[in-house]
Amino acid sequence: GQQVMQIPQYQHVQEGEDFTTYCNSSTTLSNIQWYKQRPGGHPVFLIQLVKSGEVKKQKRLTFQFGEAKKNSSLHITATQTTDVGTYFCAGESTGGFKTIFGAGTRLFVKA
Amino acid sequence: DAGVTQSPTHLIKTRGQQVTLRCSPKSGHDTVSWYQQALGQGPQFIFQYYEEEERQRGNFPDRFSGHQFPNYSSELNVNALLLGDSALYLCASSLARALNTEAFFGQGTRLTVV
Repeated sequence: GQQVMQIPQYQHVQEGEDFTTYCNSSTTLSNIQWYKQRPGGHPVFLIQLVKSGEVKKQKRLTFQFGEAKKNSSLHITATQTTDVGTYFCAGESTGGFKTIFGAGTRLFVKA
Repeated sequence: DAGVTQSPTHLIKTRGQQVTLRCSPKSGHDTVSWYQQALGQGPQFIFQYYEEEERQRGNFPDRFSGHQFPNYSSELNVNALLLGDSALYLCASSLARALNTEAFFGQGTRLTVV
């Protein structure tokens, strides 16, 4: 079945350092979404990418969708303590309504 | 404008029992998806409901069943509970015909099976 793999599992950074998490799907995706979940909270939607090779930016966050629509990345520039949490990618399969989440990358930011 | 609401927030059940979890979608949304999130893991897709029908199902046994009502609210039922069913159960709502399939999650129901 379809799998979505996400690396790294954990990342510890010093405040001000950059951070990147990578997502790979075993199958071609119709779209990919990114969510952030704070400890004890629920996933909160960040963005959706649909087009092959798409790049979107939200302030310090840059999201990319691969040309083959099977991989994606989230890059945070100059991390802040408010960036702490787990970042999940979630891929929707082509022709289906199932959204498969990666296992997430937990970001720790040291002030 | 209320977001996605789930009830109850916490629940403790005994192995073998049955449980029903409830979800009210965000106003204007017509699609409800259910997820199971074990500690330290990503949400696992259980199923999605649209127009009162199960539209897609993940790799969960038949013990997991659901329902969607005409007002778009939904229930998740789990029969013959196992210890391994202990998890955070998340409901997410979305709009089927939207270009952006952004899903809004509820706060979840924390189920503990003892």
